[in-house]
Amino acid sequence: SQQGEEDPQALSIQEGENATMNCSYKTSINNLQWYRQNSGRGLVHLILIRSNEREKHSGRLRVTLDTSKKSSSLLITASRAADTASYFCATGGLYNFNKFYFGSGTKLNVKP
Amino acid sequence: DTEVTQTPKHLVMGMTNKKSLKCEQHMGHRAMYWYKQKAKKPPELMFVYSYEKLSINESVPSRFSPECPNSSLLNLHLHALQPEDSALYLCASSPPGRGNEKLFFGSGTQLSVL
Repeated sequence: SQQGEEDPQALSIQEGENATMNCSYKTSINNLQWYRQNSGRGLVHLILIRSNEREKHSGRLRVTLDTSKKSSSLLITASRAADTASYFCATGGLYNFNKFYFGSGTKLNVKP
Repeated sequence: DTEVTQTPKHLVMGMTNKKSLKCEQHMGHRAMYWYKQKAKKPPELMFVYSYEKLSINESVPSRFSPECPNSSLLNLHLHALQPEDSALYLCASSPPGRGNEKLFFGSGTQLSVL
């Protein structure tokens, strides 16, 4: 990808379980964001964490950021079948705020 | 209106054709983007317009020509494409102001080049 890697590439869990995805990136950033994409559709913004933040919550989502390791994780708690989608991290450039690069993505399958 | 609208949703074109993709938003966003996404891959940044001026071109081949006629519209003109250009083309916009740069995406144009 243009920016970094995510792991795992694919994750299959049962409804009600937690899902954790990890993202690594290459350059210094202003912020890091997570997006969800249902098959063949546009991406939907989930959560943004700034470079001076370490953890952020939004509903069932928890994001952490470790700028020293250039990595982030997304935790989805109590997953639902409707969470089945691909998840991408995206980094906003430190100096060019409009330069967004996406990680390689994690395909999450939540089985009912 | 909180949508980014892309037309057409699907497009099939030959290698000698000229076509255009269109994108529209009425959220007052002043940055607009084109991304290209191949199947099972992440979106790849192509172009960024900021305040109707081209600010980023990620070394995209000249057979792709972007245009931003006004703050609400973004076009991508296509000419002499190759089969490997077949992909989902995504338009996005983001609000002005540092720290507000989250992207709003359209649902994309699925392009097939024969």
